[in-house]
Amino acid sequence: AQSVTQLGSHVSVSEGALVLLRCNYSSSVPPYLFWYVQYPNQGLQLLLKYTTGATLVKGINGFEAEFKKSETSFHLTKPSAHMSDAAEYFCAVSLSGSARQLTFGSGTQLTVLP
Amino acid sequence: ETGVTQSPTHLIKTRGQQVTLRCSSQSGHNTVSWYQQALGQGPQFIFQYYREEENGRGNFPPRFSGLQFPNYSSELNVNALELDDSALYLCASSYRTSGDYEQYFGPGTRLTVT
Repeated sequence: AQSVTQLGSHVSVSEGALVLLRCNYSSSVPPYLFWYVQYPNQGLQLLLKYTTGATLVKGINGFEAEFKKSETSFHLTKPSAHMSDAAEYFCAVSLSGSARQLTFGSGTQLTVLP
Repeated sequence: ETGVTQSPTHLIKTRGQQVTLRCSSQSGHNTVSWYQQALGQGPQFIFQYYREEENGRGNFPPRFSGLQFPNYSSELNVNALELDDSALYLCASSYRTSGDYEQYFGPGTRLTVT
């Protein structure tokens, strides 16, 4: 079975500062990894995904994440935070297979301070 | 705009009642997954339907059931509602291929059980 741990349920950064949201996964087989963002009263929007190939993945809105197998991590970063980045962020894992169900972490609420 | 729609937006039910939630998949998608997101938590996989058949189920009791129709719209039915069923219910549609596929989420239905 797979699982996801997001370190820090709340993260606050100043506008223009580096954003770092942490995600560690547990999986018995090579996983597919995802980051989703959820704005208030909305569904989930995919930021980026890792399936195979290059371990540094670039997504929308200037976000990127690096798959580190040795550390079982998939941390999300953005060099410079914008006020519009304030939202809840979820890391998720799925295994190759027929169902491709997503297993989500508990989420990190990002606050951007002016 | 992902094209996945859900209805109703909000719903209030009494414990013991039954509820049906609806999802309209994005055009061309043949797979739908349902997730339950309790307040302050990440979404949890309920089940997935592919070509009108259940294709994967999470740790949810049989009183959670679903249907997928030929036009790939979908329903989630919950019988004998319990207070703990209060949550945001998300559906996600996708197109299954031999490789990975991206799930597109709808805005969700907020269910409150009193």
